[in-house]
Amino acid sequence: EPEVTQTPSHQVTQMGQEVILRCVPISNHLYFYWYRQILGQKVEFLVSFYNNEISEKSEIFDDQFSVERPDGSNFTLKIRSTKLEDSAMYFCASSEELAGGQGGEETQYFGPGTRLLVL
Amino acid sequence: SQKIEQNSEALNIQEGKTATLTCNYTNYSPAYLQWYRQDPGRGPVFLLLIRENEKEKRKERLKVTFDTTLKQSLFHITASQPADSATYLCALVPSGGYNKLIFGAGTRLAVHP
Repeated sequence: EPEVTQTPSHQVTQMGQEVILRCVPISNHLYFYWYRQILGQKVEFLVSFYNNEISEKSEIFDDQFSVERPDGSNFTLKIRSTKLEDSAMYFCASSEELAGGQGGEETQYFGPGTRLLVL
Repeated sequence: SQKIEQNSEALNIQEGKTATLTCNYTNYSPAYLQWYRQDPGRGPVFLLLIRENEKEKRKERLKVTFDTTLKQSLFHITASQPADSATYLCALVPSGGYNKLIFGAGTRLAVHP
């Protein structure tokens, strides 16, 4: 069964460093998302991406964050200058359609996550 | 303010019984609700989706209901097994907000043999 994959599974970095988290969405999916989950807290939406541009972003997704689809398969999240509070699990998700599709194509499928620790 | 709430206390049940988890929301008009399972340190795994015009959905031992008047969804696991022990997340897509899922905090379920 197709699945979303993410690398690395764990990343430790120093405050102020740049990190790039990588995701390979399900191959026929067109919509891509990043979420994060701080330890013990809710899963929070960061950004959605379609047709090579951001569709929507949350307040968390400030100028330190960027997303890119550098080729036909990868989807990346970059944090330019990490802060301690960026420590969290970062989940990539993808879906075939947006809300309103038939047959559940709008379902978002999540990857296993990257655990980011900023020291 | 907008809220999506799940019972924060863990639910402990005996194997073979039915587990019922609750998701309540305020000040949203969801296009649909989804339920996910999350194991420690892992990503959410999709279980069921129910749309605003549907009352009930079933999949094997799982059943979800959606009451837009009560602003509530119930998630049932029948004939529960220890392997069902996990955190269950409710997530909604607001009408007009097609791109994002808004998650509840989840309810931890423990099924004891």
